[in-house]
Amino acid sequence: AQKVTQAQTEISVVEKEDVTLDCVYETRDTTYYLFWYKQPPSGELVFLIRRNSFDEQNEISGRYSWNFQKSTSSFNFTITASQVVDSAVYFCALSEAVQAGTALIFGKGTTLSVSS
Amino acid sequence: NAGVTQTPKFQVLKTGQSMTLQCAQDMNHEYMSWYRQDPGMGLRLIHYSVGAGITDQGEVPNGYNVSRSTTEDFPLRLLSAAPSQTSVYFCASRASGQNSNQPQHFGDGTRLSIL
Repeated sequence: AQKVTQAQTEISVVEKEDVTLDCVYETRDTTYYLFWYKQPPSGELVFLIRRNSFDEQNEISGRYSWNFQKSTSSFNFTITASQVVDSAVYFCALSEAVQAGTALIFGKGTTLSVSS
Repeated sequence: NAGVTQTPKFQVLKTGQSMTLQCAQDMNHEYMSWYRQDPGMGLRLIHYSVGAGITDQGEVPNGYNVSRSTTEDFPLRLLSAAPSQTSVYFCASRASGQNSNQPQHFGDGTRLSIL
């Protein structure tokens, strides 16, 4: 069965600190997709990244970077030099190939609080 | 471009009442889904559809019905509301294609309270 675990329920940092949000997943499929979403206090869900299981290349986008390791079934998210605007709930999610990102299994989320 | 539109944004029901949460998208997306978000539980998949006339159950389908008569609309029905269905409901859509890098587009959510 599919499962996504975000062990960190809440993280508090001070601005400019780096922070890593952990995500561990379980799936029996060899082809699957991993996602990160951000939910700011306003409540909407903002797509951050999608990664295919056959592409283990890490990705950097501005202050955001993602580390995908199939050997440990992890897809961790790092924010460099955090800012107050990064305060949000962050969700990691998984979808298997047949659903191709249609049916997402979400982790319970990590609430990140960045103080000035 | 409206994207994914959910109505209503807020609703209060009494136990046993029925209602339909509306979801419409104008992006011609084949794939649509419904999720509920509860405190400490993240988002859980209720039902999803890969095209008109095709629906399937997610993690928590009990108490909910869906249908997909058109590509644009994917309503979620509560036949007999229960307090356990108090939640925030999100609808999402995505373009088709297994290798597509298109993400799911989420609506702004419907906050539903069952008394």
